[in-house]
Amino acid sequence: GAGVSQSPSNKVTEKGKDVELRCDPISGHTALYWYRQRLGQGLEFLIYFQGNSAPDKSGLPSDRFSAERTGESVSTLTIQRTQQEDSAVYLCASSRGEQLSYEQYFGPGTRLTVT
Amino acid sequence: GQQVMQIPQYQHVQEGEDFTTYCNSSTTLSNIQWYKQRPGGHPVFLIQLVKSGEVKKQKRLTFQFGEAKKNSSLHITATQTTDVGTYFCAVRSTLGRLYFGRGTQLTVWP
Repeated sequence: GAGVSQSPSNKVTEKGKDVELRCDPISGHTALYWYRQRLGQGLEFLIYFQGNSAPDKSGLPSDRFSAERTGESVSTLTIQRTQQEDSAVYLCASSRGEQLSYEQYFGPGTRLTVT
Repeated sequence: GQQVMQIPQYQHVQEGEDFTTYCNSSTTLSNIQWYKQRPGGHPVFLIQLVKSGEVKKQKRLTFQFGEAKKNSSLHITATQTTDVGTYFCAVRSTLGRLYFGRGTQLTVWP
């Protein structure tokens, strides 16, 4: 595709329910990132996938958060037993690889609202 | 992990005034990237600096990389309302992960 796509664009869920967010990176991009951005705040790193290497999960805030990536394509971020503090925009980004010079391309994000 | 401090957190200027945001690191950086996020949008890559003392310009935007490669700045001359947004610097660790500064939120009054 032309860019990184994410779905859904908006998600409203009740507290305690599970949600799954999807990211389709740019074709050929081996690196994929997930970030969380609360209203008016900066980018909070969640997880990083690079090729077949073990993902860097150091940013996941709790064991309710998990993410998977199928090969070098689609990734899903799952939040179990959602809490109100999980409300935020979840951004996905991809880049060509782990080379220092590669820029990140961001998707439009999924706005999650937990009621 | 790699950390980069970005200041100021907020900046309010009158249209036509200049604006500068700074990023500082305690360690020498291989390179630094700058991104802009418009209100309601997602971050978009602006530029990358690699060389010591490098200066790059994009119209009214001037990007500098310090001689010691530990700091960088983004300067906007004669701001316009279209410059509104949050500007982030980002540095990459040797393991590939990108670390973002907390951003500078620019507001421009007409």
